[in-house]
Amino acid sequence: SQQGEEDPQALSIQEGENATMNCSYKTSINNLQWYRQNSGRGLVHLILIRSNEREKHSGRLRVTLDTSKKSSSLLITASRAADTASYFCATALYNTDKLIFGTGTRLQVFP
Amino acid sequence: EAGVAQSPRYKIIEKRQSVAFWCNPISGHATLYWYQQILGQGPKLLIQFQNNGVVDDSQLPKDRFSAERLKGVDSTLKIQPAKLEDSAVYLCASSLLAGIDNYGYTFGSGTRLTVV
Repeated sequence: SQQGEEDPQALSIQEGENATMNCSYKTSINNLQWYRQNSGRGLVHLILIRSNEREKHSGRLRVTLDTSKKSSSLLITASRAADTASYFCATALYNTDKLIFGTGTRLQVFP
Repeated sequence: EAGVAQSPRYKIIEKRQSVAFWCNPISGHATLYWYQQILGQGPKLLIQFQNNGVVDDSQLPKDRFSAERLKGVDSTLKIQPAKLEDSAVYLCASSLLAGIDNYGYTFGSGTRLTVV
């Protein structure tokens, strides 16, 4: 079964708005990563947050991690039409480094 | 830095035929993964290599799927015989470090397999 469950499954917003996606997972992790996938393309690594970190920023991206609740969120600020894609969280399992993906959130940003 | 190379990009085969996919990871990356991504779903891990050894293949359907990583560099994934439900994108990824030092994985563009 999938380690991560993402919420919402789909999100539609206007350009300039913020987009927030959530991810929950089940077991102990080394780190949690977020990836973007454009339709028909490969996965692009966006950001990694380690299990001993609580928040991380990269450009317009902000990721939080709450290991007590086994959850993470990805915030994309001032969204652009080019941000339209599917976003996946992936957890690197503790001790094995096995990378398990969630179910994904499909983001549509309208110009 | 060259990315993860995969070939072919597309493959169409009939059920019960065999097929092979090839992956060349980033030079020096010790860890290599094969994932299967069915349309509309997240990638599912099939097998994980550390150098040329298998770390995890618990999700690999071993009656029809096989994978190898000779000399700890290139890897091939084979399906024999293929079934309709094997239609998916097969993704290869590699990473330099593991565990707490890992800074992310690099994925190839994938091979889109259609079984008819």
